[in-house]
Amino acid sequence: KNEVEQSPQNLTAQEGEFITINCSYSVGISALHWLQQHPGGGIVSLFMLSSGKKKHGRLIATINIQEKHSSLHITASHPRDSAVYICAGPPTNSGGSNYKLTFGKGTLLTVNP
Amino acid sequence: DAGVIQSPRHEVTEMGQEVTLRCKPISGHDYLFWYRQTMMRGLELLIYFNNNVPIDDSGMPEDRFSAKMPNASFSTLKIQPSEPRDSAVYFCASSLVLGGRGAFFGQGTRLTVV
Repeated sequence: KNEVEQSPQNLTAQEGEFITINCSYSVGISALHWLQQHPGGGIVSLFMLSSGKKKHGRLIATINIQEKHSSLHITASHPRDSAVYICAGPPTNSGGSNYKLTFGKGTLLTVNP
Repeated sequence: DAGVIQSPRHEVTEMGQEVTLRCKPISGHDYLFWYRQTMMRGLELLIYFNNNVPIDDSGMPEDRFSAKMPNASFSTLKIQPSEPRDSAVYFCASSLVLGGRGAFFGQGTRLTVV
């Protein structure tokens, strides 16, 4: 069983809709990453957060360490947001490293105009 | 800064050949990471360096894989001999410190071993 689970696997939305992608993990972590991978393959790190909420433009990431759950929200979605969104966290046997990551399988988001 | 630069972007090689992937991190970044992405396993961390020193190579699949960072501006990932199951996209990433928004990724090298 993957230690990091994402839902949904696929998500289709209309431009302007509010998007939520969920990430749950089975072991305690100190920080969680959200990555964005565009159709061309390039990966962009969106957030690394260990508590509360972070906001960057139309993207908002929240995390609840106790519940082992994080969400990525996109407000006023746009076709250019179409990408695979990946969450990742370090397993507890990572020796405290925030970068020995276990990755979720990703959520494919398609935003139609 | 031009970002993390990887070369080549695409590599096709025959089984048994040596393959060398190259990475130039963002200037001033202390951490460098090598990841592999496949359809079956998704993204996996192979190895990461801090100040040119390998910190954790437990993700390197086997002895056929080796990585070096001779200086702060250059790293290589070598596969010798290559096998078809090594076919994947290999990403290099660098980071200034632990924290912030995380790491900056290169465009990846798509390796095909036939």
